[in-house]
Amino acid sequence: SQQGEEDPQALSIQEGENATMNCSYKTSINNLQWYRQNSGRGLVHLILIRSNEREKHSGRLRVTLDTSKKSSSLLITASRAADTASYFCATSGGGGADGLTFGKGTHLIIQP
Amino acid sequence: DTEVTQTPKHLVMGMTNKKSLKCEQHMGHRAMYWYKQKAKKPPELMFVYSYEKLSINESVPSRFSPECPNSSLLNLHLHALQPEDSALYLCASSHGGGAGGYNEQFFGPGTRLTVL
Repeated sequence: SQQGEEDPQALSIQEGENATMNCSYKTSINNLQWYRQNSGRGLVHLILIRSNEREKHSGRLRVTLDTSKKSSSLLITASRAADTASYFCATSGGGGADGLTFGKGTHLIIQP
Repeated sequence: DTEVTQTPKHLVMGMTNKKSLKCEQHMGHRAMYWYKQKAKKPPELMFVYSYEKLSINESVPSRFSPECPNSSLLNLHLHALQPEDSALYLCASSHGGGAGGYNEQFFGPGTRLTVL
C-alpha cells in the first residue's frame, strides 16, 4: 500500500504564524489530497492536487507536490485557533471510485 | 445536501452480538467507502462500493460484512467482533465518475464502536 509519512507528527505554533506540514509517499499517484480532522470526528476535505500539478492554493492554504521526490507540503498561513486539528495527506492511485491511503498525520495546535 | 450521515454515533456491543452501522448520502455520489480508524492513527480503507457493487475489499475479516442496498445507503454488518475491533468507523462518499474523475471524499462523523 502507499503509506504516506508526515512530519512533523506534532506542531505547536502561535496564532497568526504560518504552519507547514510535509508528506511523503511511496508509489505513483493519480492525486494527493489533504484532510483535516477535529478531535476524532469525521474528516473534512481541504484540497486536492493532481499528479500533473505542482502547486495549488485555496484561501489560506497552499499545497505543493513534487512527484519526483514523492512528497507534498501543506502551508496554512495566518493560523487561527480554529485551525487546531489533525491534518492528513491521502493518496489515490486512480480516479473515480478509488480508496485513499492516509499518511500518519500531523497534530497541529494553535496557541492563542 | 452535502452531508454524509452515520448512525448510531456510539455503539457498545458484546463479542456475541450482531449489529449494523448505517451510512446515508443524498449527493448523488456513486462511490461509497468504509474506513476504520484506531485512536491516534490514520483511517484505513476497508471497503469500496462503486455503482452499488463491491469493488475493493482490503482483506477485511468476514466478521465485517458490507452491504449497499441502493445508491444512497451503505451498511456495515458486524458479527462476532473482537475487542481489538473497537475503533471509529467512518463512512465516506465520492462522485465516483470513472477513471478520469477525482475522488474527493465526503466523510460522515463516524460511529465510535466499543466491543466488550
